[in-house]
Amino acid sequence: GAGVSQTPSNKVTEKGKYVELRCDPISGHTALYWYRQSLGQGPEFLIYFQGTGAADDSGLPNDRFFAVRPEGSVSTLKIQRTERGDSAVYLCASSGPAGSGYTFGSGTRLTVV
Amino acid sequence: AQKITQTQPGMFVQEKEAVTLDCTYDTSDQSYGLFWYKQPSSGEMIFLIYQGSYDEQNATEGRYSLNFQKARKSANLVISASQLGDSAMYFCAMRELYTGTASKLTFGTGTRLQVTL
Repeated sequence: GAGVSQTPSNKVTEKGKYVELRCDPISGHTALYWYRQSLGQGPEFLIYFQGTGAADDSGLPNDRFFAVRPEGSVSTLKIQRTERGDSAVYLCASSGPAGSGYTFGSGTRLTVV
Repeated sequence: AQKITQTQPGMFVQEKEAVTLDCTYDTSDQSYGLFWYKQPSSGEMIFLIYQGSYDEQNATEGRYSLNFQKARKSANLVISASQLGDSAMYFCAMRELYTGTASKLTFGTGTRLQVTL
């Protein structure tokens, strides 16, 4: 597609529930990144995919967070047993060859009540 | 580890004036890239300008210029002729270049710019 698409744009869930956030990168972009942005903060790195594999998942806060990219295109960020502290905007970005820039999606605002 | 510091949580500037947003960084790498992004209230991250660590000239993109002082590890953003539409959060970010897997961006905490009449 023309840009990075993230769905849903907003998600409200109850504490303890499971959620999935989807990212559809720019066609042909091999690298895909997930970031989490809490209110008043800069985005924090979560995980980065090069193709289908997670090249760096050092930013995932704990084992409740998991992400996949099975066909090297669309990625899903999965959060189990959500907690109120997981409330944030989750941003996805993709990039092409090394040295090229990043294109960000509009984010998914997750609210855990 | 890389670190980006933005010491100005908020800035005001009058329309048509220039403003400088500060950014300092810390890295032990020789090759790195510096970015500035704008984030309006709608939430999307809009790329503004990029400076590579080996670029000898300061980057410019229209009304945006990057004042790159490598020895001081600073990469300040200068916006000339401010417009009301420039009101937004501004983030400085850095990434390593040409390393095996670490291409992630590290962001600062941001500066909220408010342009006034």
